[in-house]
Amino acid sequence: GENVEQHPSTLSVQEGDSAVIKCTYSDSASNYFPWYKQELGKRPQLIIDIRSNVGEKKDQRIAVTLNKTAKHFSLHITETQPEDSAVYFCAAFLNQAGTALIFGKGTTLSVSS
Amino acid sequence: GAGVSQSPSNKVTEKGKDVELRCDPISGHTALYWYRQSLGQGLEFLIYFQGNSAPDKSGLPSDRFSAERTGGSVSTLTIQRTQQEDSAVYLCASSYPRGELFFGEGSRLTVL
Repeated sequence: GENVEQHPSTLSVQEGDSAVIKCTYSDSASNYFPWYKQELGKRPQLIIDIRSNVGEKKDQRIAVTLNKTAKHFSLHITETQPEDSAVYFCAAFLNQAGTALIFGKGTTLSVSS
Repeated sequence: GAGVSQSPSNKVTEKGKDVELRCDPISGHTALYWYRQSLGQGLEFLIYFQGNSAPDKSGLPSDRFSAERTGGSVSTLTIQRTQQEDSAVYLCASSYPRGELFFGEGSRLTVL
């Protein structure tokens, strides 16, 4: 069926370490892959996105990589800080015509100092 | 408006009652989404509106749930005969077509 799978569900790292979250999607026609961050008690907000015409995109300490052949994309956070602690969601439109944006189940990242 | 506005922010109701949740999207955004987030859980897709196209209702969990969007702007999510398992935060988001979603603060529904 159409879905977006996200792993791991929880991730604990020490401040300064890197964190990697992975997602897979089912529809090879998908061409837009955003990542949202939701801090405790707040609304989700976009942190980075990538379209299928590129393989990697960076924005300071965060980066997203895309492997269209394998149908997976990953979020990389380097030099993690306590304020990076949040729930991270990947998402994809499940076909090229683009109906609804479907989210993965989320990864709770905890960064300890 | 400055952002996506949702009301009420909190709603407590008794099992079996009907509830209406309202979403006022960002002006000019043609796409509008409803998601449900249970405590500590992910963003469960409910329904999607895009312009004048027929809405994608594939995420609605039962026929007790319905939504409409009037005039391409404000949307109302209606839950009939509420059940305790309907308790959750209902999030609305709007965007340009296939663009960044901007979420509202959500409506927290508690069914007693």
